[in-house]
Amino acid sequence: AQKVTQAQTEISVVEKEDVTLDCVYETRDTTYYLFWYKQPPSGELVFLIRRNSFDEQNEISGRYSWNFQKSTSSFNFTITASQVVDSAVYFCALSEAGRALTFGSGTRLQVQP
Amino acid sequence: SQTIHQWPATLVQPVGSPLSLECTVEGTSNPNLYWYRQAAGRGLQLLFYSVGIGQISSEVPQNLSASRPQDRQFILSSKKLLLSDSGFYLCAWSVGGLARGADTQYFGPGTRLTVL
Repeated sequence: AQKVTQAQTEISVVEKEDVTLDCVYETRDTTYYLFWYKQPPSGELVFLIRRNSFDEQNEISGRYSWNFQKSTSSFNFTITASQVVDSAVYFCALSEAGRALTFGSGTRLQVQP
Repeated sequence: SQTIHQWPATLVQPVGSPLSLECTVEGTSNPNLYWYRQAAGRGLQLLFYSVGIGQISSEVPQNLSASRPQDRQFILSSKKLLLSDSGFYLCAWSVGGLARGADTQYFGPGTRLTVL
């Protein structure tokens, strides 16, 4: 069965600090997909990134970066030089081939000015 | 580009009343469509998904139902709302034809439902 754990319920940082959101997943499949979504106060889930299990290359997009490590079953998300606009709930999600998307419980990030 | 719409944005309904939430997608054909519910302060629960007109799969037993009368229209309904139906309802779409699990889902703005 697939499972996603986001152990950090809430994180508070001051603007310009770097912050890492942890995501640990469980799956028995060799083919699976990992996602991060952002949910700002407005409620809409915004897609950030998708990785497949065969691509462990880390990715950077502006201030965002993702570290995928199969050895530790983790897919962590780092925001560099955080900004107030980064305040949101961030969800990590996992899907195995042929199965529905499973979301973690989310991490609420508050960036203080 | 593709866009997804949901309405209404907010809804307050009494217990026992009917419900109809609508979701439409523009800019794509034969999408996969999904309904999720997010209870206050909690994660997302998949309620229904559809791979085509009239094809609905239910993920959890409940007093809700879904229909897909048109290719890009997905409706969530209930004949009699319960207090426990309160929550934030999100519709999502993904590119049709991809194997389930391999698709990326894009979410709408959501409907906040309060049942009193």
